[in-house]
Amino acid sequence: QSVLTQPPSASGTPGQRVTISCSGSSSNIGSKYVYWYQQLPGTAPKLLIYRDNQRPSGVPDRVSGSKSGTSASLAISGLRSEDEADYYCAAWDDSLSGRVFGGGTKLTVL
Amino acid sequence: EVQLVESGGGLVQPGGSLRLSCAASGFTFSTYTMNWVRQTPGKGLEWVSFISSSSSTIYYADSVKGRFTISRDNAKNSLYLQMNSLRAEDTAVYYCARDDLGYCSSTTCYTGFDYWGQGTLVTVSS
Repeated sequence: QSVLTQPPSASGTPGQRVTISCSGSSSNIGSKYVYWYQQLPGTAPKLLIYRDNQRPSGVPDRVSGSKSGTSASLAISGLRSEDEADYYCAAWDDSLSGRVFGGGTKLTVL
Repeated sequence: EVQLVESGGGLVQPGGSLRLSCAASGFTFSTYTMNWVRQTPGKGLEWVSFISSSSSTIYYADSVKGRFTISRDNAKNSLYLQMNSLRAEDTAVYYCARDDLGYCSSTTCYTGFDYWGQGTLVTVSS
């Protein structure tokens, strides 16, 4: 199983706000930056949030990231059908000397 | 525009070898740390290997240590992954991914992936 823990699924209706959690430990999330990626079906992952809460240019401000202790969260407000995708969190892990991912969360827009 | 284009995937028998390449363009390749990340069909992402801009720092996931070798040629703007002693569980789409700029030492790292290639499929089967 994955070092970082995410719920396997999440859902919401158009316009709603959804959050996806990512739980880790002191050797990763607790001391390193968290990154979030969106993967649309059949495509490569795309950077959504970097350094815990920063948005790359082109990512709308209805997407946000936060972190507290050894947990992080991705929030998407004003949910749209095009947000339906898999979402992954990632961080460096000092104990493993490498990058670790969450298992991914499949977001469904009902 | 940043572009990462992987090649070299294909069908290989268990125990065989394969060399993946990643051609980079649109940025100063020699400045950036690079990685390989894989994704088993229908499953999640797994980081495979990391190489610093000057090749001085290299890391591998335990699952590939001793079998895979990462390298780069900054003059050719290219990243490589030599995969030996391949197993069925190595079957995956392999992505090359660029690190954003930030602090990394020989023991820790405060960066993450900011650009990904489109991936190349490696199938290990008899």
